[in-house]
Amino acid sequence: SQKIEQNSEALNIQEGKTATLTCNYTNYSPAYLQWYRQDPGRGPVFLLLIRENEKEKRKERLKVTFDTTLKQSLFHITASQPADSATYLCAVYNQGGKLIFGQGTELSVKP
Amino acid sequence: DSGVTQTPKHLITATGQRVTLRCSPRSGDLSVYWYQQSLDQGLQFLIQYYNGEERAKGNILERFSAQQFPDLHSELNLSSLELGDSALYFCASSVGPQGVGGNTIYFGEGSWLTVV
Repeated sequence: SQKIEQNSEALNIQEGKTATLTCNYTNYSPAYLQWYRQDPGRGPVFLLLIRENEKEKRKERLKVTFDTTLKQSLFHITASQPADSATYLCAVYNQGGKLIFGQGTELSVKP
Repeated sequence: DSGVTQTPKHLITATGQRVTLRCSPRSGDLSVYWYQQSLDQGLQFLIQYYNGEERAKGNILERFSAQQFPDLHSELNLSSLELGDSALYFCASSVGPQGVGGNTIYFGEGSWLTVV
């Protein structure tokens, strides 16, 4: 079955550094991959979508890469700020047309 | 504010009881999705409706059911509740059917269900 794996260990970084989060998927080749942000007790909020024919996509301080050979997406936050602290989820549409999410990686940015 | 409205925000009920969670999608969105999020399971897809019809089904228990009404709002019914059903239930909506065009979906703030 299709699986999405994100690093379950929390990522702790210093303010101003670049945070890099990883999303790996198996048994599937999605045409799109999405990243969401979720704050505690709140609903996930869409951040970026990247298509399989796009190697990289940027939005302000965010950058997403999509390597269909490695079956991996990397999510970067440059010049990170304490306000970036949250859980970040990647998601893909599986072959059944369902949007499935990874477990998420918690990011903590220390001042 | 995503534009997706869920009620109630918090609900405490006893085992064996039945509850109904309500969702109003964003204006103009035809698809409604239900997800369950618990600490150990992450965000799990339950079911999706598109314009009143069931579109996709996840690992939704038989004790759970949902529907989408002509005005496009949706309800998720949970019956014979067990302690393990305690979770945050999210509704989300999108314009088109899931899986088409890399649909972005917009989540509500969730309904916290505690079964005691």
